[in-house]
Amino acid sequence: AQSVAQPEDQVNVAEGNPLTVKCTYSVSGNPYLFWYVQYPNRGLQFLLKYITGDNLVKGSYGFEAEFNKSQTSFHLKKPSALVSDSALYFCAVRDSGNNDMRFGAGTRLTVKP
Amino acid sequence: SAVISQKPSRDICQRGTSLTIQCQVDSQVTMMFWYRQQPGQSLTLIATANQGSEATYESGFVIDKFPISRPNLTFSTLTVSNMSPEDSSIYLCSVVIGKHGYTFGSGTRLTVV
Repeated sequence: AQSVAQPEDQVNVAEGNPLTVKCTYSVSGNPYLFWYVQYPNRGLQFLLKYITGDNLVKGSYGFEAEFNKSQTSFHLKKPSALVSDSALYFCAVRDSGNNDMRFGAGTRLTVKP
Repeated sequence: SAVISQKPSRDICQRGTSLTIQCQVDSQVTMMFWYRQQPGQSLTLIATANQGSEATYESGFVIDKFPISRPNLTFSTLTVSNMSPEDSSIYLCSVVIGKHGYTFGSGTRLTVV
């Protein structure tokens, strides 16, 4: 079965600095990888996904993620963080042989002014 | 992508009672998924609901506790039965359109007192 790990519970960055939220995955087939963001008292919002093609995926709100097959990673990045990026971020994976999605534990990103 | 209407958005229930959560999709979908997000936790898949067949439950979840209906291709319900405070969570439904278009409902925030 597929699984995903987010090794950091919390990431703190200063506004204007680059940010990285880490994610590693495990699947038996080809991975389909996703990032979602959850703001307080709001539902999940889709940020970006990797299905196939270019390893660097660009998504909403200036976020991007790089698929690294050899390291089984899909880290989320943004060149310049905003205070409004502060939220809970979830990495998710789906195995090409399944339809259900498995989520990481989540990483709380705090961007300080 | 699909639009999901999930209700109720929140409820406070007495222990020992049951609550049925509804999920309506604006297009026909084969598979619907129900997730639980306990306070401060990630999303955990409860079950996968296909129209015309019984739901498939993940380890740790049973039909008697979380009965699911899927009467047609646009609608599903999840019932949380005989509730206890440990059932206090956010419950979300999700659908996949095509191969990779995952969409989540806005969630039902359940508090059991």
